[in-house]
This record gives sequence, C-alpha cells and structure tokens, in this order.
Amino acid sequence: GQNIDQPTEMTATEGAIVQINCTYQTSGFNGLFWYQQHAGEAPTFLSYNVLDGLEEKGRFSSFLSRSKGYSYLLLKELQMKDSASYLCAVRDSNYQLIWGAGTKLIIKP
Amino acid sequence: NAGVTQTPKFRVLKTGQSMTLLCAQDMNHEYMYWYRQDPGMGLRLIHYSVGEGTTAKGEVPDGYNVSRLKKQNFLLGLESAAPSQTSVYFCASSSSGTDFSGANVLTFGAGSRLTVL
Repeated sequence: GQNIDQPTEMTATEGAIVQINCTYQTSGFNGLFWYQQHAGEAPTFLSYNVLDGLEEKGRFSSFLSRSKGYSYLLLKELQMKDSASYLCAVRDSNYQLIWGAGTKLIIKP
Repeated sequence: NAGVTQTPKFRVLKTGQSMTLLCAQDMNHEYMYWYRQDPGMGLRLIHYSVGEGTTAKGEVPDGYNVSRLKKQNFLLGLESAAPSQTSVYFCASSSSGTDFSGANVLTFGAGSRLTVL
C-alpha cells in the first residue's frame, strides 16, 4: 500500500528553527508537496520538490531525497503565526496525490 | 479574486437526508476535486473532474455523487447521509493534473463542515 508518515505533533519556540520530517512509500514518484493549514482553514501551498536537494523560499526550505523516500520542511525564525498543521503529499505514478495526516506545529513564546 | 468558494460552510443532517455541496472557482481551472478530511487521516479524494462534463472516482467515492455541468462549478451530492460521512469537505481546483513541468498546485476552498446525526 501507499503510505506517508509524519510526526503527529511538534512544539518549538518562537525565533527558533524546526524541521518536520516526512517519509513516504508510494507507487512511483512525481513530486512532493508541502501545504500549510491553519486550524479551521484551507490548506495553502508552501513548496514543491521533484528533484533531490534543497528548495529555499524565504524562511521556509524543503528537502528531498528520492532514494530514501524522505523529505523535510525546515522553518527558520519561527513566528507565532507559523502555528499550523503542515501536510506532506506525494504525487504517485498515476499523478494522484497521496496525503500524510499532517504535523501540528505548536509555537510557544 | 475569490478563488474557490464553497457553500454551505456548515450543515447538520439527519441520517438518510440528502444534500448538495457547491464549489465554484473563478480561476478558469480545468481540474476540480472533492476531498474529505478526518481527524488523524490525510486528505482523501472522493471524486474529481478533468474538465466540464467529466467526472471520475477517487479513493472514497461510495455514497457520493458529483456533477460538473459548468467549468466553474463542481457539485458534491450525498444521496442518503450516514454518520460515517461526518467530516470536513474541501473542494480544490488546479490548472492541470498531469503536468510534467510544473507543480500543479491545488487551490482549496475554505471547507464545509458536515455533521450527520
């Protein structure tokens, strides 16, 4: 079967750095996505990786290793507004998105 | 630009009742999707559409029907609601579905919270 694993919950301190991991086992691979979802709101797109390596976008970076079936989202200079769930999703060989259950990130002052 | 709009935002149904969720997008996107989101689980695809007049089953289609009579609208119907259909439903749209070169980012609506008693 297809599987996306992420930690259920993480806690970090304002101003610090946090890394959210995602491991996947899917039928093929055509890209990995990270979405942010604030409580009670819609998911919004953060990043996309299709090749190995690091993609940087301001305070957020996403890393991919296809050989290891592994990605992480790195959030720097954490702000209170970063408190949200972070969803990892992989596009499989049929171009269907397989979603992880999400990681709830709690930021403490 | 409104993006993706879902109505209603909240609804309570009794078992056996029927209802329709409406999704409208103003981005001229070809692809539209209906997902459900349940605690502790990833988003699960119910049905999707690759263009006006077309629909296809996703991962969890049973108990739901859809229609895409106009490009900008995608309707999700529950014919006979069951408590297992209590969930938050998200509509999403994208410009394409099998794009080798691009991310094919999904734009989501704000969600519709459905409770079936």
